[in-house]
Amino acid sequence: AQTVTQSQPEMSVQEAETVTLSCTYDTSESDYYLFWYKQPPSRQMILVIRQEAYKQQNATENRFSVNFQKAAKSFSLKISDSQLGDAAMYFCAYRSGNQFYFGTGTSLTVIP
Amino acid sequence: SAVISQKPSRDICQRGTSLTIQCQVDSQVTMMFWYRQQPGQSLTLIATANQGSEATYESGFVIDKFPISRPNLTFSTLTVSNMSPEDSSIYLCSVEPGPGGEQYFGPGTRLTVT
Repeated sequence: AQTVTQSQPEMSVQEAETVTLSCTYDTSESDYYLFWYKQPPSRQMILVIRQEAYKQQNATENRFSVNFQKAAKSFSLKISDSQLGDAAMYFCAYRSGNQFYFGTGTSLTVIP
Repeated sequence: SAVISQKPSRDICQRGTSLTIQCQVDSQVTMMFWYRQQPGQSLTLIATANQGSEATYESGFVIDKFPISRPNLTFSTLTVSNMSPEDSSIYLCSVEPGPGGEQYFGPGTRLTVT
């Protein structure tokens, strides 16, 4: 069975600093997608970044980048130059076929 | 991407009653999804709703409790039937507008059952 594990329930970062959120997943599939979603207190789920498993190059979206290690089944999110608006719950997600699995989330606090 | 709206945004309901949540998308999409997010928890998929076919429910969710309609390519409803306090959750709909595999989510409906 596919599972997604986020081992850090809570993280904090100083404004303008860099933070890395961890995610591991378990799968026997070779073709899949990985995502990071952000859920601020408004509860709107916002797509932050996506990675296709067949691509070796790590995805980057402005201040957000991932470290995708397929063999290790690891998919961490790096947030550079953290801003107050980055404070939210971050969910790692895995998708293969019609199955979509979410991790338990990491609550990120940004300290001014 | 897609712009998704949900109604109501929140509601407080009595035990034993039913609530229908609406999800509207600004573009035609084949697949729509309904999720439940219990307080402080992650998202759990309830069902997948494709237009023109019966919804496919995940393990632990049944049609009698969570009937879903999908009358066209831009709209879906989820009904939470015979509610109990355990149904208090945020209910989110999502769509997959393109081949990229990502889903886009509505703002959610916060349901409290007393």
